[in-house]
Amino acid sequence: GENVEQHPSTLSVQEGDSAVIKCTYSDSASNYFPWYKQELGKGPQLIIDIRSNVGEKKDQRIAVTLNKTAKHFSLHITETQPEDSAVYFCAASLSGGGADGLTFGKGTHLIIQP
Amino acid sequence: SAVISQKPSRDICQRGTSLTIQCQVDSQVTMMFWYRQQPGQSLTLIATANQGSEATYESGFVIDKFPISRPNLTFSTLTVSNMSPEDSSIYLCSVAGTGFEKLFFGSGTQLSVL
Repeated sequence: GENVEQHPSTLSVQEGDSAVIKCTYSDSASNYFPWYKQELGKGPQLIIDIRSNVGEKKDQRIAVTLNKTAKHFSLHITETQPEDSAVYFCAASLSGGGADGLTFGKGTHLIIQP
Repeated sequence: SAVISQKPSRDICQRGTSLTIQCQVDSQVTMMFWYRQQPGQSLTLIATANQGSEATYESGFVIDKFPISRPNLTFSTLTVSNMSPEDSSIYLCSVAGTGFEKLFFGSGTQLSVL
């Protein structure tokens, strides 16, 4: 089955700096890669996703890049703000989405230092 | 995206008892899913619940321990039966969006078993 590795487990950055979270996946057939943000006491919220036929996708301060050859994808957050503090999960799907075949990474606790 | 409401948001239960978690969606959805998130861990799929059929359980989860109901296209329940402290987790309801690609989560139920 698919295996998703996520690094780092904890990331602390100064407010205004950029943050990068990286994930690798094992199955080259995976074709859908979402990122979720989970704030304390809340459920995960889908913040951005990318399909395997696209190399990069951007939404305001958030971007995701995908390297299919190396089987890794990354979340980039620019101009970080205190409200970006949360746990971020990457995931990879073999079958294009839903929960079927969706494998999550272990999460990254992002801390924005004022 | 769908609005997903879960009740209760948290509960503290005694060993050996059962708790039923309710999930209400503001629109009709075909596929609903139940996840478990153990403290500081990632998300693990418990089962898939489609209306009109028996729930499909993932490896390591059984119907006797986690019975699920799906009486209509907007509602589902998950029961955690004969609880032990190892069942202390966040339980999350989720639904697949249009096209079954994007996965959306409810706010979760924080369960503590004493």
